[in-house]
Amino acid sequence: DTAVSQTPKYLVTQMGNDKSIKCEQNLGHDTMYWYKQDSKKFLKIMFSYNNKELIINETVPNRFSPKSPDKAHLNLHINSLELGDSAVYFCASSQDMAGIGTDTQYFGPGTRLTVL
Amino acid sequence: GENVEQHPSTLSVQEGDSAVIKCTYSDSASNYFPWYKQELGKGPQLIIDIRSNVGEKKDQRIAVTLNKTAKHFSLHITETQPEDSAVYFCAATKGGYQKVTFGTGTKLQVIP
Repeated sequence: DTAVSQTPKYLVTQMGNDKSIKCEQNLGHDTMYWYKQDSKKFLKIMFSYNNKELIINETVPNRFSPKSPDKAHLNLHINSLELGDSAVYFCASSQDMAGIGTDTQYFGPGTRLTVL
Repeated sequence: GENVEQHPSTLSVQEGDSAVIKCTYSDSASNYFPWYKQELGKGPQLIIDIRSNVGEKKDQRIAVTLNKTAKHFSLHITETQPEDSAVYFCAATKGGYQKVTFGTGTKLQVIP
């Protein structure tokens, strides 16, 4: 009965590779997010989708491409991985009946990406 | 855009003492202020939130206060317990398809 799930939990890869992280929520929420948390624990939003539509794109390099096949899923594809991409990536979702960010965000367990 | 500053970055308290974490925000239009707790190896989890039409909110040992004039809000944890040890994040947003901006986090250690 996991609310927000992510796969994989750990991802170790070489520079230059392409990888994807999957996220699914079973809460019936309208909005989903991707956050990046660096080694200093800074939590920064990358993308937000509302009903499969991109709402927020926080000046993320275009090597990062989110895809939302339906409102319960938001996947993150990363091309040409760089050392600086190493971080923990969190998916989150919220109901947001009154607009983005106005309701509790439920976070997934995170995906630790290590680029060698 | 919104900027949220959070202090202190680390905080150690004895079990049973109180802990206070403070945040300031820059955008006077922000109207929703959640607090998240992140335990080791897990995603952040909401512990309490406050909206701009309220000055204080309490939930058992946790309370949040908001001063809109000064643009700062604080988290108060009383009677701290070892399981309160975690990283705490404040956040602010004005909603309406605007992003939630998180503070830089406070690592709280409760010493038994």
